[in-house]
Amino acid sequence: DAGVIQSPRHEVTEMGQEVTLRCKPISGHDYLFWYRQTMMRGLELLIYFNNNVPIDDSGMPEDRFSAKMPNASFSTLKIQPSEPRDSAVYFCASSFSETQYFGPGTRLLVL
Amino acid sequence: GDSVTQMEGPVTLSEEAFLTINCTYTATGYPSLFWYVQYPGEGLQLLLKATKADDKGSNKGFEATYRKETTSFHLEKGSVQVSDSAVYFCALSDQGGGSNYKLTFGKGTLLTVNP
Repeated sequence: DAGVIQSPRHEVTEMGQEVTLRCKPISGHDYLFWYRQTMMRGLELLIYFNNNVPIDDSGMPEDRFSAKMPNASFSTLKIQPSEPRDSAVYFCASSFSETQYFGPGTRLLVL
Repeated sequence: GDSVTQMEGPVTLSEEAFLTINCTYTATGYPSLFWYVQYPGEGLQLLLKATKADDKGSNKGFEATYRKETTSFHLEKGSVQVSDSAVYFCALSDQGGGSNYKLTFGKGTLLTVNP
């Protein structure tokens, strides 16, 4: 089992650029979660999906953030335009029960 | 709403010392409780869990008992190793009768174990 796969692992971009983070959940899992982790705010749930449908996006910080899940094996989190305060580690997690399995994260730096 | 409060770190111990990280929770229903661990540069991974009152979760020498009367789920280990250095997160899942696997996390506790 390959686990949750995220790409890229590291991303450095300039303010104003579009950033797309990608996630491949574990096969058979029907829940997918996007989190953001910073020193100041800790671990924050941004949005989660069930069977490819967004269930709760109340954690998405603002309209610059959007997430999609076009099929059961792929999800994206997009930031457009990016700002320096978006710098963080973004995690994707998937589950079919209460236990969530996390990916290795994408470390984003916006200059 | 649901919430998890865990002791603030950082916690610094010597190898073979006893570890306790306190965790208390507030939930409307009957939650399942979890401890996740995050090693440097990695994602979170499940350490142990308990799904009902008085259950004890255990893994890799770590233990935690679900105490409904005190709404607590304290993490303990009798003898820590340098390799246990990581951030530990307490979390709960309160389905509220529906199918909802959202987790509520505590802020995390950084543990450093010195040789």
